[in-house]
Amino acid sequence: DTEVTQTPKHLVMGMTNKKSLKCEQHMGHRAMYWYKQKAKKPPELMFVYSYEKLSINESVPSRFSPECPNSSLLNLHLHALQPEDSALYLCASSQEIGSGPLHFGNGTRLTVT
Amino acid sequence: QQQVKQSPQSLIVQKGGISIINCAYENTAFDYFPWYQQFPGKGPALLIAIRPDVSEKKEGRFTISFNKSAKQFSLHIMDSQPGDSATYFCAARFDNDMRFGAGTRLTVKP
Repeated sequence: DTEVTQTPKHLVMGMTNKKSLKCEQHMGHRAMYWYKQKAKKPPELMFVYSYEKLSINESVPSRFSPECPNSSLLNLHLHALQPEDSALYLCASSQEIGSGPLHFGNGTRLTVT
Repeated sequence: QQQVKQSPQSLIVQKGGISIINCAYENTAFDYFPWYQQFPGKGPALLIAIRPDVSEKKEGRFTISFNKSAKQFSLHIMDSQPGDSATYFCAARFDNDMRFGAGTRLTVKP
């Protein structure tokens, strides 16, 4: 089992819904990441938090809103998504930003109807 | 802008055979080269990683070979097993920037 826990595992939402994805790690890592992965494609970086501050935003549409309440938690708030946003959303952490391996969670499979 | 090129896209190997996946990179500033293994419905898991000051690293049946001058690195899976069937991603990192290859779907036939 992964040390990065993501909930829910599956999520189906309509285009007018608001939902949140949650991620938790207890490895003492200070960098946390959101990735998006489409089928048969590599993960694509969305956001990076370092010491609970947003460090990188890869020009992600504003319908995706990240939040880092503390060093162990990372949320991704979703609003007014499009069907093309359907994907596997992966959370990852590392000791420091740009240092050490990425530890991925098992993701949330999101379907937008 | 793809900076890490991975091949082949898919690979079928008989049980007990050697699986070889290749990656090439462009940015000479990359200083960390991990390989990730991903099973369906799971997140990528770190398999093995290497830094450019080392030409080879072995962990069990998995070996990374690194050629700095050619800007290439490869994963060798010895004695491949059906349980190794998964998608493998190479990656390269400089500072905050981790670039993934397109992935190789490995099937090991019993």
